[in-house]
Amino acid sequence: AQSVTQPDIHITVSEGASLELRCNYSYGATPYLFWYVQSPGQGLQLLLKYFSGDTLVQGIKGFEAEFKRSQSSFNLRKPSVHWSDAAEYFCATTSGTYKYIFGTGTRLKVLA
Amino acid sequence: DAGVIQSPRHEVTEMGQEVTLRCKPISGHDYLFWYRQTMMRGLELLIYFNNNVPIDDSGMPEDRFSAKMPNASFSTLKIQPSEPRDSAVYFCASSGIGGQGEQFFGPGTRLTVL
Repeated sequence: AQSVTQPDIHITVSEGASLELRCNYSYGATPYLFWYVQSPGQGLQLLLKYFSGDTLVQGIKGFEAEFKRSQSSFNLRKPSVHWSDAAEYFCATTSGTYKYIFGTGTRLKVLA
Repeated sequence: DAGVIQSPRHEVTEMGQEVTLRCKPISGHDYLFWYRQTMMRGLELLIYFNNNVPIDDSGMPEDRFSAKMPNASFSTLKIQPSEPRDSAVYFCASSGIGGQGEQFFGPGTRLTVL
């Protein structure tokens, strides 16, 4: 069965530092992969998505993610974190249907 | 476009009462999803519709929960009777063919059952 693992429940970084949030998926074929961000009291907003093609995907707010089939990973990165990036981040996958499988989320704290 | 609209944003009720949550999807979207988010269980898909027809309701926790989509622009999630363990944030999301699976989420309804 498909699954998504986000191994880090909490991550704390200093403002201006680089960020990498981990996501591992379990699926035989090429999955559809997404990263969403949830700010406090808000719904989820799509940051970026991968379906095929270039394995490095650019998203909104300066985020990018790289699909690595050999590692079954789709890690989210940002070269320089801003205080406004503090939020919870969710990785999700689907096999091509509209039914998402979400990870448990990683809560990001940004230190001034 | 106004995005996905959910009402109410907050609901406080007493155990045993009926609760109705409402959702208006983005115009033109033909998929609608209901999720529940709790600290313990994270984001759970409860049910989703395609062209107003329920496709998968395997996530609906029990018979106390029901969802309807009478037309393309409106859906409800009803809990009757409500219990304290139903306290959560309930999200509605919509998606359209050609959107490559991207789901657009509403702001959620925070439900507290006392």
